[in-house]
Amino acid sequence: NAGVTQTPKFQVLKTGQSMTLQCAQDMNHEYMSWYRQDPGMGLRLIHYSVGAGITDQGEVPNGYNVSRSTTEDFPLRLLSAAPSQTSVYFCASSQILAGGSEQYFGPGTRLTVT
Amino acid sequence: GENVEQHPSTLSVQEGDSAVIKCTYSDSASNYFPWYKQELGKGPQLIIDIRSNVGEKKDQRIAVTLNKTAKHFSLHITETQPEDSAVYFCAGEASGSARQLTFGSGTQLTVLP
Repeated sequence: NAGVTQTPKFQVLKTGQSMTLQCAQDMNHEYMSWYRQDPGMGLRLIHYSVGAGITDQGEVPNGYNVSRSTTEDFPLRLLSAAPSQTSVYFCASSQILAGGSEQYFGPGTRLTVT
Repeated sequence: GENVEQHPSTLSVQEGDSAVIKCTYSDSASNYFPWYKQELGKGPQLIIDIRSNVGEKKDQRIAVTLNKTAKHFSLHITETQPEDSAVYFCAGEASGSARQLTFGSGTQLTVLP
């Protein structure tokens, strides 16, 4: 199993450009999520999905869109990048079990918006 | 919503000593508390977790304790080694929250040889 994969690893955008961060998992997990990580602030949830066709907003959803057409893929779209979106982005997946279960994280995408 | 606070933000210990990181949470409905280790340039990785029906859990040199009444939980690492140096995050998940984890702000642990 490859686990959770993310592409690209690094990206530089100009203000106003759009892009899609890719995330895929091969563990047949129902739950997938996107976090951003900023210095001193831990990881903050952007969007999440509990299955194909179902998405919902997390703590910091503004400026980001998601869709979940398959169990495996959960792309994150930035429609008009802003410098405030400079961050490291992590995708994660897990099973949905009563009482909680491990979330598996991808290696991250480091995004810089100039 | 849930709020998780983590202390200290940085911690340096001598190799072989113990390290303790503490977290408090606000939502009494939270019932799952994982701890993640993040090495430089990598994604977080689960090292131990505890559920609300358990007060303590151990895995070799790592242990986690949970006090539901006081709403705090702690990570204990004994006999620290240089490879324990990393950023550690605590998190809480509320029952019925559709798996939403709220993370603490992280602790940079440095083990000095």
